Amino acid sequence: KAGVTQTPRYLIKTRGQQVTLSCSPISGHRSVSWYQQTPGQGLQFLFEYFSETQRNKGNFPGRFSGRQFSNSRSEMNVSTLELGDSALYLCASNPGDGNTIYFGEGSWLTVV
Amino acid sequence: AQSVTQLDSHVSVSEGTPVLLRCNYSSSYSPSLFWYVQHPNKGLQLLLKYTSAATLVKGINGFEAEFKKSETSFHLTKPSAHMSDAAEYFCVVSPQGNQGGKLIFGQGTELSVKP
Repeated sequence: KAGVTQTPRYLIKTRGQQVTLSCSPISGHRSVSWYQQTPGQGLQFLFEYFSETQRNKGNFPGRFSGRQFSNSRSEMNVSTLELGDSALYLCASNPGDGNTIYFGEGSWLTVV
Repeated sequence: AQSVTQLDSHVSVSEGTPVLLRCNYSSSYSPSLFWYVQHPNKGLQLLLKYTSAATLVKGINGFEAEFKKSETSFHLTKPSAHMSDAAEYFCVVSPQGNQGGKLIFGQGTELSVKP
């Protein structure tokens, strides 16, 4: 069974640009959540989607957004990139009950 | 609000000696607690989880953790460290009523294993 797949794995963007990251959950999992990991702030919850609807949201500005498609794949978008958005963005999936949550290997974003 | 505090930012042990990574939680109810491990440049791997069944939880790779409500602790242990255990470890709590993917992470403990 394939794990959580994130693309791209590495990317470099310029301040002011926008970026879209993609996540394919484990087959059968309907919940996808996103986290930002930085050395200073650690791991912080961004948002969670379940059956194409945002179910939970963390404390991030509106520049951070996401969506989920009917096949449970999810994308997150960051607009008007700032240097501080440089981070590892992790996607996680679970069947929807939050019982066991599996993480992908992440997308490394560098903003220059 | 729920939170977890990892009491050590860095722990160093010698190979073959016991490992103890400490975690205290704050919650007004019996929470779901997890330990995850992250190897360099990798994602997070679930080591074990506590969901109000047995208080002593066994995980992968010889790790286990004990839920102690009276001490609000969920410390991670392993009898004998291996070089491959060197990584960052996160104690994690799932908010009450959470049916999905919202987790609250501790700040992490970096484990070093000396030969």
